[in-house]
Amino acid sequence: KQEVTQIPAALSVPEGENLVLNCSFTDSAIYNLQWFRQDPGKGLTSLLLIQSSQREQTSGRLNASLDKSSGRSTLYIAASQPGDSATYLCAVGTGNQFYFGTGTSLTVIP
Amino acid sequence: GAGVSQSPRYKVAKRGQDVALRCDPISGHVSLFWYQQALGQGPEFLTYFQNEAQLDKSGLPSDRFFAERPEGSVSTLKIQRTQQEDSAVYLCASSPGQGETQYFGPGTRLLVL
Repeated sequence: KQEVTQIPAALSVPEGENLVLNCSFTDSAIYNLQWFRQDPGKGLTSLLLIQSSQREQTSGRLNASLDKSSGRSTLYIAASQPGDSATYLCAVGTGNQFYFGTGTSLTVIP
Repeated sequence: GAGVSQSPRYKVAKRGQDVALRCDPISGHVSLFWYQQALGQGPEFLTYFQNEAQLDKSGLPSDRFFAERPEGSVSTLKIQRTQQEDSAVYLCASSPGQGETQYFGPGTRLLVL
């Protein structure tokens, strides 16, 4: 079974700082990897989807990279803002199933 | 529709009661997923539909859990004889096709007393 780990579990940074969230997975045979944010009591909002053939995806201040061979993905957030405070989850797609990490809880301090 | 909707948003059930959770995916989306999310954890895969076909139900925790999508649109997750350990948020997601971006609903928070 695919195991997905996210480090750190929690992160607190001052506004304006650049930061990196990490996701690692045990089986490199993946179809894709998706990053989500989850606000308290809410569902998940898709941020970026990287197909297995891609190395990175960018959307605004967000950049996600994928290194299948080493089983790692990173989510880079530039110039963080208080509105970025949320839990960030990565999900690894292996055919019909998606395996989620436990998330990184991010707090951006004004 | 504008997004994935789920109902009810909150459900309190007595232990042993049957419950039914509904998911309305984005119109035209072929793929539909159900997940269970315990407090402080990431979502755990339950089952996957492609149109009306249930292609993977390996994540359903017991035979008390049953899901259907008879017309390839709305889906229902049914839990029979609920137990306290079934208390969780149940999330539904849809995507245009396999391997494409998943769009999640707000979830149904189930509390079994």
